[in-house]
Amino acid sequence: GIQVEQSPPDLILQEGANSTLRCNFSDSVNNLQWFHQNPWGQLINLFYIPSGTKQNGRLSATTVATERYSLLYISSSQTTDSGVYFCAVEQGAQKLVFGQGTRLTINP
Amino acid sequence: DTGVSQDPRHKITKRGQNVTFRCDPISEHNRLYWYRQTLGQGPEFLTYFQNEAQLEKSRLLSDRFSAERPKGSFSTLEIQRTEQGDSAMYLCASSFEEAGGSISYEQYFGPGTRLTVT
Repeated sequence: GIQVEQSPPDLILQEGANSTLRCNFSDSVNNLQWFHQNPWGQLINLFYIPSGTKQNGRLSATTVATERYSLLYISSSQTTDSGVYFCAVEQGAQKLVFGQGTRLTINP
Repeated sequence: DTGVSQDPRHKITKRGQNVTFRCDPISEHNRLYWYRQTLGQGPEFLTYFQNEAQLEKSRLLSDRFSAERPKGSFSTLEIQRTEQGDSAMYLCASSFEEAGGSISYEQYFGPGTRLTVT
């Protein structure tokens, strides 16, 4: 099956810093989603981005499907950005396959 | 649109007991998915439904697990004879899929049911 690798596994930054999270996948995909998992376990949708670039406030994402990677950018980090960020991909029109996540800690 | 809901949010049970979880998807969504997440890992796919038909089951879904979506709306996931290894967060998601289509749409997740087996 398809493999999804996220890097780095852990990231610790000071408030106000910028960060880049990476997601590599091993095969072509029809769907790629980025999620933020809050401390209560809820997965919050950030981006649905099988290709191209999208921006939402301080967050933006770029997927280069031909090179099988996606990047999530967080600018001017806030403590509320802390949590685990997951990339998930889908082949065909079926299930999502998740990476192991990047744990982001933003210190005040 | 109230989002995906799950009930209960937390369940503590003793080993050997049966448990049942419920998921209510976003109303216009015809696809419903179940995932399981253990500590420190990403969610893993268990099974999914297109309307009332169960189309795929993961090898993670042992024969102690059964899922239903009887009228194509809400779904239940039952675990029989629970084991300590079943302790996890059980997540439900829903999406819309065009009939016969190969394009996938965004999946939206519920808050999860956290199961603890003692």
